[in-house]
This record gives sequence, C-alpha cells and structure tokens, in this order.
Amino acid sequence: GAVVSQHPSRVICKSGTSVKIECRSLDFQATTMFWYRQFPKKSLMLMATSNEGSKATYEQGVEKDKFLINHASLTLSTLTVTSAHPEDSSFYICSARDTGMNTEAFFGQGTRLTVV
Amino acid sequence: AQSVTQPDIHITVSEGASLELRCNYSYGATPYLFWYVQSPGQGLQLLLKYFSGDTLVQGIKGFEAEFKRSQSSFNLRKPSVHWSDAAEYFCAVGAWGEKLTFGTGTRLTIIP
Repeated sequence: GAVVSQHPSRVICKSGTSVKIECRSLDFQATTMFWYRQFPKKSLMLMATSNEGSKATYEQGVEKDKFLINHASLTLSTLTVTSAHPEDSSFYICSARDTGMNTEAFFGQGTRLTVV
Repeated sequence: AQSVTQPDIHITVSEGASLELRCNYSYGATPYLFWYVQSPGQGLQLLLKYFSGDTLVQGIKGFEAEFKRSQSSFNLRKPSVHWSDAAEYFCAVGAWGEKLTFGTGTRLTIIP
C-alpha cells in the first residue's frame, strides 16, 4: 500500500522555540493532507486540511498563527509549531489522501512532541 | 454534522475469545466507514473500510465488520483474539476527498 512518512518520530524542544514536522507521501501524489492532534487517551482531532499550493483550512479553535502549515508540493506538507509551550505537547499525525478513486487516507507514524 | 460514537472505552477479553467492538455513526449521506488500529506510541493502521457493496467487509489480521444502515452501525468483529491484538481501535467516518471524523476509541486488553 501507499506509504506516508512522518519525520521526526519524536522531538523534544524548549519552551519558546519552534519545531517543524514533515509529512511525505512516498509513492503517490497527495493534493490534500490532513493534520491531526491526539491528546493522551483521546481520539484524533483534525487540526487542519492542507491543500497543495494554497492556504490550509483550519478547524475551529486551532490557532493558524501558532500551527503553521505549508504544502509546497504534491508529496510534502509541513507543520510548524511556533513558540511552543508545554501544553502543545502531544502526538501529531498526518494523513495523505490518494487523489485517485481510492478514498483511503494513509497515515504517517506520528510525531511525539514534548515541550519542556 | 458527522459524528462517530464508540460506546465502549475499554474492553477486556481472554485470548482465543471472540470480540466485537461497537461503532455508531451519524452522517448525512452514504458514509465511508473505516476501522483503524493504533499500538502505543504508533500511528494508525487501516484494518478495513466500507464504501459500498457487500455490507460484510473483511480486513487484515482476521478482522471483519458489518455495515448496518438501519442501525447506523459498523461493528468490528474477530472470532478469536490473539495477545497481539491488544491496542486502541478507532472507528472513523468520512466522504471522498474529505476529512475523517474519528470516534473516541476503544482500548482492547487481552488476558491470557
């Protein structure tokens, strides 16, 4: 099946710094990628929908200036957590949807962000 | 608005016993339904999906799910669980080209 690679898998950063998470579709083109956040023992909550070449669409309550999303190519989307705070610590997962007839969303392995 | 309800937060079953995880959805049109499994600290792996056709779908690892439109349900089943099935299971609903809405998940514990 299609592969989505997310990097890094784990990152620790200091409060006030920024961290970038990459999501790549390795063997297919994804005009749309999704970024989810998962709180401990909670479900995945969609943060934003990323479309190649255009601005991301953020879900209600998600600060777009804090969670910067860039989708510069058909195989790469990035999420930058700016001025990170401990409450931003979470598990972030991206998914990329195949643009063909198959509507399956392929998920990356996730990134565990810890802000200290 | 679409939503997914997984009424069981935590289920414990004995190894070798049968399993059924419940999922109810609310969706305005014909739903696309998915079951994912997540091991601790890992991403999501697709177990199976339903788009149309046969309402009983087979997935990987011996799982199956049945779509029942009249009950708005898409329950996941496995006839005999293995210790390696211990994980978190998420039901999700979506449409072509759109985001997925996930349930809150069911944590499965297997006892010897």
